[in-house]
Amino acid sequence: ETGVTQTPRHLVMGMTNKKSLKCEQHLGHNAMYWYKQSAKKPLELMFVYSLEERVENNSVPSRFSPECPNSSHLFLHLHTLQPEDSALYLCASSQLTGPNQPQHFGDGTRLSIL
Amino acid sequence: DAKTTQPTSMDCAEGRAANLPCNHSTISGNEYVYWYRQIHSQGPQYIIHGLKNNETNEMASLIITEDRKSSTLILPHATLRDTAVYYCIVPGTYKYIFGTGTRLKVLA
Repeated sequence: ETGVTQTPRHLVMGMTNKKSLKCEQHLGHNAMYWYKQSAKKPLELMFVYSLEERVENNSVPSRFSPECPNSSHLFLHLHTLQPEDSALYLCASSQLTGPNQPQHFGDGTRLSIL
Repeated sequence: DAKTTQPTSMDCAEGRAANLPCNHSTISGNEYVYWYRQIHSQGPQYIIHGLKNNETNEMASLIITEDRKSSTLILPHATLRDTAVYYCIVPGTYKYIFGTGTRLKVLA
């Protein structure tokens, strides 16, 4: 139990669907992150929020839309996805975004695009 | 962010110490060394991190060389559950760059 919970664990959707991934952290952290892990590729940072403000958007296509309503919750809204978007989407949190701030990860949502 | 180099894979006998090396020769003075592991189908698990001094916690020990250009993660008594991919990361800020890591296989 890492204190970071992601739902759903698995999601299958068509290219025209709209869905959302949810992340909740119970660690009292102020920074939250979305990562993407495609098959046979390293994890890639997508978005970073610090104190509910987006501080990083790592050239992610607009079909991915993050939302951070408070410091405990993070969403990733998905629409009109492509087959290459099939991947494991991981959420992480840390106390702050400084150099001495370990990130703690959830177990991810495995997304499959039909 | 400093680039890290790790062996692709290692084997270790159950009950023995697993020593996982990492080279980070371009590390700068204020960059920390972090270690994570990822067991199949799970998210990366934080293990330990350090700046200059050696560190130990309930999971592992981290030995950083005096020049800080390399480090070693030590799992003192490896178990089958320690089989995973281990990542050494030196982020300048919050931007973790995960490489391919070391695939550790603990053998019974």
